[in-house]
Amino acid sequence: GDSVTQMEGPVTLSEEACLTINCTYTATGYPSLFWYVQYPGEGLQLLLKATKADDKGSNKGFEATYRKETTSFHLEKGSVQVSDSAVYFCALSDKGNRGSTLGRLYFGRGTQLTVWP
Amino acid sequence: KAGVTQTPRYLIKTRGQQVTLSCSPISGHRSVSWYQQTPGQGLQFLFEYFSETQRNKGNFPGRFSGRQFSNSRSEMNVSTLELGDSALYLCASSLRGDSYEQYFGPGTRLTVT
Repeated sequence: GDSVTQMEGPVTLSEEACLTINCTYTATGYPSLFWYVQYPGEGLQLLLKATKADDKGSNKGFEATYRKETTSFHLEKGSVQVSDSAVYFCALSDKGNRGSTLGRLYFGRGTQLTVWP
Repeated sequence: KAGVTQTPRYLIKTRGQQVTLSCSPISGHRSVSWYQQTPGQGLQFLFEYFSETQRNKGNFPGRFSGRQFSNSRSEMNVSTLELGDSALYLCASSLRGDSYEQYFGPGTRLTVT
């Protein structure tokens, strides 16, 4: 079945440090891949996405490349800010359109990022 | 465009009671999915509705049910509440619910005492 595995952290960094959060996936169909971010007391916000192999999603300085050969979608940022402190979730949506996958995102367990000034 | 809205934002209920949560999707979105988020289990898929039909269901007991109306608004109901049902319940909408990204509401925080 479909699943996502991501490093759970927590991750603590100083401002302007580099960030990498690892994410790998298992999928039986043709997944689209996403990173979501959750700030305290809020729902999930879509951060970036990639819909096919070798696509690179990017937003707000964050990037992730869909690597089919390594089944990975690692999140990276060159210089983090205090305002990036949040929980980050890797997720996939399977395009197989089978009954078990319709309307369903498969999430990793989330990675808590704390950035200190 | 207005985002996904969920009401109420917070609820406190007693064991054995039932509760109904509401979700209004982004205008034009026809798919609504529900998730339960807890510290122990993370994000778990409850069910998905499209055009008033439940197309997919996660591994939750029958006490968890839902429906979708003709305007795509959705409700979920939990009967005979248990302490373990305390969670953040998130609703997400998408255009069709296949490979499209989902947009989440702020959630309803349910506390069962």
